Amino acid sequence: EIVLTQSPGTLSLSPGERATLSCRASQSISSTYLAWYQHKPGQAPRLLIYGASSRATGIPDRFRGSGSGTDFTLTISRLEPEDFAVYYCQQEASSFGGGTKVEIK
Amino acid sequence: EVQVVESGGGLVQPGGSLTLSCAASGFTFHDYWMTWVRQAPGKGLEWVAAIKGDATAKNYVDSVEGRFTISRDNAENSLYLQMSSLRVEDTAVYYCARAGAPWAFDYWGQGTRVTVSS
Repeated sequence: EIVLTQSPGTLSLSPGERATLSCRASQSISSTYLAWYQHKPGQAPRLLIYGASSRATGIPDRFRGSGSGTDFTLTISRLEPEDFAVYYCQQEASSFGGGTKVEIK
Repeated sequence: EVQVVESGGGLVQPGGSLTLSCAASGFTFHDYWMTWVRQAPGKGLEWVAAIKGDATAKNYVDSVEGRFTISRDNAENSLYLQMSSLRVEDTAVYYCARAGAPWAFDYWGQGTRVTVSS
């Protein structure tokens, strides 16, 4: 079973700053299988990135996914107020990482 | 417009049963894998089960295997999750989602809450 570990657990940043979120797999996975989601309290999760680096429909280009093998990264170039949320990586349309909360500093 | 809407959540005693439903619209339902994902209070997302468009393949997370059954009715554009032998640790918001992107879930419902408690 592949385990995804996300770090940091919480990221405290100000609007306009850059956010870098990490997702590490316990063994190598195909980039095809790696997705990122945004989740806000009381809302449905939102697909941001699939295939490690492809943005989903309607996702702004400040969201960028990268990585391969065991190490994947979600970068938000300049945080907007609506970007403060919890972010999850997922592998092979099944298990999720534990999440990274991006909070306002 | 693609929509998925869950229903059927509620309060149930440990050992009890409950069936969740998900009504889908705005897309050709039988063309897509569908899935259930849950979030326990204060925890992260957990994938629960998935079913292929023609229902010929089903997958479950180990913790629900043998207790939960995923099914679908393509004529009714509906997805179901039959839950039995429920445990306190099954308490969560359950989301229905479409697997519409390669190996990812592109449309999600707002969720339905299941509470297992005596």
